[in-house]
Amino acid sequence: ETGVTQSPTHLIKTRGQQVTLRCSSQSGHNTVSWYQQALGQGPQFIFQYYREEENGRGNFPPRFSGLQFPNYSSELNVNALELDDSALYLCASSSPGPETQYFGPGTRLLVL
Amino acid sequence: RKEVEQDPGPFNVPEGATVAFNCTYSNSASQSFFWYRQDCRKEPKLLMSVYSSGNEDGRFTAQLNRASQYISLLIRDSKLSDSATYLCVVISTSGTYKYIFGTGTRLKVLA
Repeated sequence: ETGVTQSPTHLIKTRGQQVTLRCSSQSGHNTVSWYQQALGQGPQFIFQYYREEENGRGNFPPRFSGLQFPNYSSELNVNALELDDSALYLCASSSPGPETQYFGPGTRLLVL
Repeated sequence: RKEVEQDPGPFNVPEGATVAFNCTYSNSASQSFFWYRQDCRKEPKLLMSVYSSGNEDGRFTAQLNRASQYISLLIRDSKLSDSATYLCVVISTSGTYKYIFGTGTRLKVLA
């Protein structure tokens, strides 16, 4: 196992609601990245946090936001949920730079 | 054009067969390359890094061709347990390091 944990494992929300997903990184890793994986697709990069600051962002709207805490754990917040937000949300921890990322088991979000 | 492209498959092969996947990327400045394996409804797990000189890990061999901008994965003597989706990953360095995933190639090894 990678040591990366995520909570909750599954979540059902309705359109317009807000959701917070959580991730604890592997010991020794100070970089956390978040991905969205729709069915049948590869993971899509949402953003990355390094030392509590956003360190890069993919093509996701501002209603996707995040935080990283001093212990390097992280949150992903999504406001005004849409049906298309239904996906597997993965977090990955790593050392900074072009290093191997280790993924958590993901949170499955269903928006009705 | 997508930054990273893979044939989605599925590739259905008999046990013991050799199978190869390719993955092309568009950013010539890409720095690092990986193959990940993803089982159904599970998270991606690192299979191997890919180096220009090529690298081998047991039955798996990965190659990088920078001139043609593709990476490959060769699996020899396929096992039933190799059935999974194989994701190629390219690290983009446009301002910050980003993992760019392909859509994945689905492999099914048949008994």
